[in-house]
Amino acid sequence: NAGVTQTPKFRVLKTGQSMTLLCAQDMNHEYMYWYRQDPGMGLRLIHYSVGEGTTAKGEVPDGYNVSRLKKQNFLLGLESAAPSQTSVYFCASSGSASSGELFFGEGSRLTVL
Amino acid sequence: GEDVEQSLFLSVREGDSSVINCTYTDSSSTYLYWYKQEPGAGLQLLTYIFSNMDMKQDQRLTVLLNKKDKHLSLRIADTQTGDSAIYFCAESRGSGGYQKVTFGIGTKLQVIP
Repeated sequence: NAGVTQTPKFRVLKTGQSMTLLCAQDMNHEYMYWYRQDPGMGLRLIHYSVGEGTTAKGEVPDGYNVSRLKKQNFLLGLESAAPSQTSVYFCASSGSASSGELFFGEGSRLTVL
Repeated sequence: GEDVEQSLFLSVREGDSSVINCTYTDSSSTYLYWYKQEPGAGLQLLTYIFSNMDMKQDQRLTVLLNKKDKHLSLRIADTQTGDSAIYFCAESRGSGGYQKVTFGIGTKLQVIP
């Protein structure tokens, strides 16, 4: 059972380039989330989805877009990368609206030069 | 708003008990959690406590909740080198059809052999 899988695991971008991070879960979870993790700041929610075809803004959505065309996938896009977006990105999923038990992927480390 | 605070670092000797503390501000929190993050990995739920409980014990782990002071602690008995990791305190509450989870910045536990 793979759980939550993120690709790619590492990526280096130049300022202004675009890229997409893919998150896939095989647990049939309704809820999916993208977080970023920065030193001294913990995890901050970027965007989330409460079901296929839905997305919503989290705490720090600027500079990012997301799509949830299929229930098992949640894509995070950077249209024009900036050095401030250098971070470790985590995808998570949850099967319940009443529980904060999240299942995390292993993370994607992005560096923007 | 929601805020979760915890200390950055804790060092203990193997075999001793570790106590990681956390304070939170949201009195409407439904659940409180401890997540563990090992190097290069995503977060994994370690244990949780419902907001109307005072204590929960699970093998070597004891969670204490003081709701009046909004203080949560995680005690690890007989700490082992494999317990070295970053521990995140988190709280959740219902928000717009999903559980909004707010994380602390994480406490890095170093276990000295």
